Amino acid sequence: KNEVEQSPQNLTAQEGEFITINCSYSVGISALHWLQQHPGGGIVSLFMLSSGKKKHGRLIATINIQEKHSSLHITASHPRDSAVYICAVVNLNEKLTFGTGTRLTIIP
Amino acid sequence: DAGVIQSPRHEVTEMGQEVTLRCKPISGHNSLFWYRQTMMRGLELLIYFNNNVPIDDSGMPEDRFSAKMPNASFSTLKIQPSEPRDSAVYFCASTRTSGRPYNEQFFGPGTRLTVL
Repeated sequence: KNEVEQSPQNLTAQEGEFITINCSYSVGISALHWLQQHPGGGIVSLFMLSSGKKKHGRLIATINIQEKHSSLHITASHPRDSAVYICAVVNLNEKLTFGTGTRLTIIP
Repeated sequence: DAGVIQSPRHEVTEMGQEVTLRCKPISGHNSLFWYRQTMMRGLELLIYFNNNVPIDDSGMPEDRFSAKMPNASFSTLKIQPSEPRDSAVYFCASTRTSGRPYNEQFFGPGTRLTVL
């Protein structure tokens, strides 16, 4: 079992829909990252969380340390949100492990 | 701000050849990371440097891989000899840290390596 599991693996939605991507992990962590990889391959760091919730524009990230779970939400989704979203955790030994990513496609 | 700069963007080489990938971090950033991305294994951390010193190289696959950071503005990842299974996209990222290594990172565009 991978230390970091993301769901769903693939998600297709209509423009305007509310999107949720989930990340579950099996180890104690000191931080969790959400990354966005564009179709061209570039990677952008969206959030780093160690507790609670963060919001940036239409993106919201939450984390529940007790449940070992984080979610990334996108409100009013747009085709330009189409990308692969990757969760990564930093365990208590400062090791970084990535999830396999969720491929999101937003249809106009 | 030019962002993290990587070169070359694409590299095609033959098995057995030496490959050198280069990275220039964002000015003022004191931590630098090398990652590898493949379809099979996704993103993997290879090595990271803090203040030019290698801190964790446990992700380096084997002795054929080596990384250096001779100064704050330049790092190299070398593969010698290269093998077809090294084909991947290699990303460099940098960040400014004060103790914790994994603050928000800024990624370079990546180098797509193909070993024939």
